[in-house]
Amino acid sequence: ETGVTQTPRHLVMGMTNKKSLKCEQHLGHNAMYWYKQSAKKPLELMFVYNFKEQTENNSVPSRFSPECPNSSHLFLHLHTLQPEDSALYLCASSSQSTSKGEQYFGPGTRLTVT
Amino acid sequence: EDKVVQSPLSLVVHEGDTVTLNCSYEVTNFRSLLWYKQEKKAPTFLFMLTSSGIEKKSGRLSSILDKKELFSILNITATQTGDSAVYLCAVYKTSGSRLTFGEGTQLTVNP
Repeated sequence: ETGVTQTPRHLVMGMTNKKSLKCEQHLGHNAMYWYKQSAKKPLELMFVYNFKEQTENNSVPSRFSPECPNSSHLFLHLHTLQPEDSALYLCASSSQSTSKGEQYFGPGTRLTVT
Repeated sequence: EDKVVQSPLSLVVHEGDTVTLNCSYEVTNFRSLLWYKQEKKAPTFLFMLTSSGIEKKSGRLSSILDKKELFSILNITATQTGDSAVYLCAVYKTSGSRLTFGEGTQLTVNP
């Protein structure tokens, strides 16, 4: 059973809606990540948080807004999305002090923008 | 620009076959190469490789890294239908927290 949980698992939203994705890790890690996985494309890193501080923003449009209130929780707030934003959104976590890249992934949220 | 290329992109085999998946990379400040298996949703960690020539094994799966030629292979022997998945290769750098992923290899094992 994964130590990283994500809710909701599926989300359908209109282009004018506002919704949030939630991620929680139970592994005692201090780094958390948001990835986007579109069909036929590699996993794309969106945001990185280390010890609650955002350390990377991979040129993500402002309609995606991350929030990391503590090392165990990560949110992705969505507003005025476009149909091309439909994808699987994956959250991951790692231990920065011991990591050589090993990240643990949640099950993802399948987002459809209509 | 960092690049990770996997081949083949898809592969269909019969149970019992042996498969070899390839991953080549071009990155600066290489630290490690990782393999993940993605069945339905969450990629699950398989191996992490940091040194050339040292084979990592887990059951029927094994992997090796060649840092001179900049590639890695993932071998699966005596394949089973449960091995059907997308296998992802990713490279981790010494600077930052970024994993750069390849496109993945879709493996289908037929009974």
